Amino acid sequence: EDQVTQSPEALRLQEGESSSLNCSYTVSGLRGLFWYRQDPGKGPEFLFTLYSAGEEKEKERLKATLTKKESFLHITAPKPEDSATYLCAVQEWAGGGADGLTFGKGTHLIIQP
Amino acid sequence: EAGVAQSPRYKIIEKRQSVAFWCNPISGHATLYWYQQILGQGPKLLIQFQNNGVVDDSQLPKDRFSAERLKGVDSTLKIQPAKLEDSAVYLCASSSDNPNGYTFGSGTRLTVV
Repeated sequence: EDQVTQSPEALRLQEGESSSLNCSYTVSGLRGLFWYRQDPGKGPEFLFTLYSAGEEKEKERLKATLTKKESFLHITAPKPEDSATYLCAVQEWAGGGADGLTFGKGTHLIIQP
Repeated sequence: EAGVAQSPRYKIIEKRQSVAFWCNPISGHATLYWYQQILGQGPKLLIQFQNNGVVDDSQLPKDRFSAERLKGVDSTLKIQPAKLEDSAVYLCASSSDNPNGYTFGSGTRLTVV
């Protein structure tokens, strides 16, 4: 059973057309929910960490929100340079110092000029 | 600050051959992770080190994969013998106690033919 499910798998928007990406998760104890951006041929680049339901964080045209079951990444008036794959990941409370992330498959976002 | 360094950038090998990947984390980062990213999927944790000790290797296929982090700095991930399904990007990441996510390297793209 997938712990992290992202939707849609792919999204094509016109420049300036706002939208939201969804990340639903099932974990026994959420320590943190992470959003990353990944460009082709590169490693994931950190965007946000959210820790509790109701929390919101913003960075330029991006805003991430968190509920008890899902997170949204809102993209406002996107530009072509926002085109990338956006990855969601969860970190669970675990013993022994283990704090690895469980990732979803990502949403491939294309912003057309 | 310098990022996470990985080498080689690309590697093509035949099945049943062996291969090794190298990672040098950000200076001072005690925790190092290896992730496997198969095309079209999110990264999957293989192993987590804290200094030179293994914290979590529950998802490492130990019959063919091994990893070490001597002296608590750089790390090597080895596959022996490789299978076709090992074709993927192998990402290294490191973190300090800063909760703002991990820093990933650009990865090594492995193709097994």
